[in-house]
Amino acid sequence: EAGVTQSPTHLIKTRGQQATLRCSPISGHTSVYWYQQALGLGLQFLLWYDEGEERNRGNFPPRFSGRQFPNYSSELNVNALELEDSALYLCASSFRGSSADTQYFGPGTRLTVL
Amino acid sequence: KNEVEQSPQNLTAQEGEFITINCSYSVGISALHWLQQHPGGGIVSLFMLSSGKKKHGRLIATINIQEKHSSLHITASHPRDSAVYICAVNRGSQGNLIFGKGTKLSVKP
Repeated sequence: EAGVTQSPTHLIKTRGQQATLRCSPISGHTSVYWYQQALGLGLQFLLWYDEGEERNRGNFPPRFSGRQFPNYSSELNVNALELEDSALYLCASSFRGSSADTQYFGPGTRLTVL
Repeated sequence: KNEVEQSPQNLTAQEGEFITINCSYSVGISALHWLQQHPGGGIVSLFMLSSGKKKHGRLIATINIQEKHSSLHITASHPRDSAVYICAVNRGSQGNLIFGKGTKLSVKP
């Protein structure tokens, strides 16, 4: 069974540009979570999608947005990139949106903003 | 104050030692997770707990709901256990995780 996949592996952008990151969950999983891991800050929750709807949002500005497609894959968009957006962006999926479910993490997309 | 606190931040051990990493949380939770992150970023879920104790190989995780505290133990540590161990919780019924800052473990041969 394929795990959670993310693309691209690395992404280099300049300030003010937009970045699009993609995530494909494990087959059968309906929930997708996005997390940011900036250097020295630890993991922080960004967005949670389940069954195509945004269920919860972390403490990030509106220029961080996303969506979940009918096949449950997901996209994270970051507009007007700032230097401090440089981070590892991790996607995770779970069978349902229940807190009783294990989350499976993808390998991440490393975003560098110059 | 962070909702999830871990200690220690860094831990160096000799191969074979018994290791304990602690996690305290200040919010109501429905589950607590222990995650392992190797250099390069990949994260693996080790345990999900809502009560009691779980064991997998040389790893043991315990949780005390009343004291809002969990521990991760590694018996007979090995250099391949070197990684960052992260405690995370589901707050209430929310599916998303809230994370501790992690404990960086280095096991020397």
